[in-house]
Amino acid sequence: AQRVTQPEKLLSVFKGAPVELKCNYSYSGSPELFWYVQYSRQRLQLLLRHISRESIKGFTADLNKGETSFHLKKPFAQEEDSAMYYCALSGGYQKVTFGTGTKLQVIP
Amino acid sequence: GAVVSQHPSWVICKSGTSVKIECRSLDFQATTMFWYRQFPKQSLMLMATSNEGSKATYEQGVEKDKFLINHASLTLSTLTVTSAHPEDSSFYICSALGAAMNEQFFGPGTRLTVL
Repeated sequence: AQRVTQPEKLLSVFKGAPVELKCNYSYSGSPELFWYVQYSRQRLQLLLRHISRESIKGFTADLNKGETSFHLKKPFAQEEDSAMYYCALSGGYQKVTFGTGTKLQVIP
Repeated sequence: GAVVSQHPSWVICKSGTSVKIECRSLDFQATTMFWYRQFPKQSLMLMATSNEGSKATYEQGVEKDKFLINHASLTLSTLTVTSAHPEDSSFYICSALGAAMNEQFFGPGTRLTVL
């Protein structure tokens, strides 16, 4: 079975502070990990995926297979980063399992 | 990026009636479409996966006779909630995947309220 855990429902940080959104997963094979973002009143959209190893809007995420984690990080939070963030896992057959989401609130 | 639309964006219906939700890929052909359900403050739960021209694959615990999915064309999938009850009230989201794509594109969702 595949499972994604996001322990924090809400994360509040001040503008300019570092951000780390935690994500742990459970999967027996080699998963593909994603971070999705949903801004207020907008649809869900892909932020980044671990195989791309890219930085999007200043966010990065490194897959740590030993700790089964895929935490999302940004060194300096911006107000426009306030949104819901979902960690997701795909174990194949295109099926994606989502975590419960973390609401990031950046305080001006 | 690719665009996926859903119609209606919200619907209110009486208990016992059936409601149809459409999901369309506007600028690409979607070989696979997914239907998710999201309860307030909870995650998206995959309900079913549908491939164009074949029967949908339902996730465990999802009643296929309750949630009828049709994917008759490469740009349209429909979800029909039959004999809706208040517990079916939820946010239903579809996503679509094209043949050469490695990313699902999501619709804006449909809010269903069953009175």
